Amino acid sequence: SQQGEEDPQALSIQEGENATMNCSYKTSINNLQWYRQNSGRGLVHLILIRSNEREKHSGRLRVTLDTSKKSSSLLITASRAADTASYFCAMNTGFQKLVFGTGTRLLVSP
Amino acid sequence: KAGVTQTPRYLIKTRGQQVTLSCSPISGHRSVSWYQQTPGQGLQFLFEYFSETQRNKGNFPGRFSGRQFSNSRSEMNVSTLELGDSALYLCASRDRVGREGQRTDTQYFGPGTRLTVL
Repeated sequence: SQQGEEDPQALSIQEGENATMNCSYKTSINNLQWYRQNSGRGLVHLILIRSNEREKHSGRLRVTLDTSKKSSSLLITASRAADTASYFCAMNTGFQKLVFGTGTRLLVSP
Repeated sequence: KAGVTQTPRYLIKTRGQQVTLSCSPISGHRSVSWYQQTPGQGLQFLFEYFSETQRNKGNFPGRFSGRQFSNSRSEMNVSTLELGDSALYLCASRDRVGREGQRTDTQYFGPGTRLTVL
């Protein structure tokens, strides 16, 4: 399978805590993107990091990319109940065909 | 701008039937991609269209087909439905140029069509 692997599969934290999700992939990439999905609905784009970048920030989100290890991580700081969702990494190998990871289900309790 | 819209949102069909799903991209976006999401296989790429031409295709049988019209709207069709085709079908559109004029790879997804095959 070309799918990326994400861990953990599920994560349960309290509001105010940080959440870290990891993604590993198999092929060379042009960029890696992170998406959020609420309860089986559409995907919302969060952040894109290019293969020549190592770290990127957007609000409470911090993404890192290590192309030598073929891995990425998404950190959500000061989590809120509204962050409860599934998070997917998606690898763009250069043909606009996104290869998605298996997803991490995040539950943030008040 | 309005987001990506997909119709219908829910659909129930029986085995052997065919189905057509519709996607309207964000105004000005000319690239449309389709994905299938199932609990077992996750999110999988079906195909991408740009300027009415299929540019890329995933590993799906020929029962899955699509097309794009001159206004960038896209349809996908699944013939001879099987139980395993039950899934959430997501459409995404992309603009080749971002707000700052740089090339962009960000895809914007619609809410999906949930297809149930009985």
